[in-house]
Amino acid sequence: ELKVEQNPLFLSMQEGKNYTIYCNYSTTSDRLYWYRQDPGKSLESLFVLLSNGAVKQEGRLMASLDTKARLSTLHITAAVHDLSATYFCAVAPTDSWGKLQFGAGTQVVVTP
Amino acid sequence: DVKVTQSSRYLVKRTGEKVFLECVQDMDHENMFWYRQDPGLGLRLIYFSYDVKMKEKGDIPEGYSVSREKKERFSLILESASTNQTSMYLCASSSYLGHAAYEQYFGPGTRLTVT
Repeated sequence: ELKVEQNPLFLSMQEGKNYTIYCNYSTTSDRLYWYRQDPGKSLESLFVLLSNGAVKQEGRLMASLDTKARLSTLHITAAVHDLSATYFCAVAPTDSWGKLQFGAGTQVVVTP
Repeated sequence: DVKVTQSSRYLVKRTGEKVFLECVQDMDHENMFWYRQDPGLGLRLIYFSYDVKMKEKGDIPEGYSVSREKKERFSLILESASTNQTSMYLCASSSYLGHAAYEQYFGPGTRLTVT
């Protein structure tokens, strides 16, 4: 059974500082996704990582994938209040017809 | 723009009632999914469908059934609602990106309360 573990589950950030969210998974996969969810809202796709060594960046967020270590990281640079949200990683098992296994989510709160 | 809509944002039902949650997507996607989201547990897959009239159980199908009579519409049915089915329900459809990869697009969610 594929397990996806995120840590930390809660992250209190100070504005202007850098932080990293980790996503570990238990089986071979080279397809990993990051989503953002604002309170009371649905999930919004942030990044799709499709190969070992893939790196994607959007604004203050950068995601990377190491399939050998079964690890993805979401790095936040110079946190700002607008980044307060819950971030989920999700992994697609091989031959999964597009099914995803989600981590528990990391709740991020950015304070001045 | 992909659009996934769900029939209700909020729903309150009584224990034992039959509940229908409907999801419609407008992008001709073949794959559709129903998840429930609970705090600290992330999203858990209830059922998914990879074609009309085709369905497959996810991780937590007990107490639920689904129907997909048309490509754009995927319904989740709670045959006899129970209080432990109080949750946020999210529908998604997925597009094929190539190289055996898909991207999922989510609806706004239905917050169901069973009393």
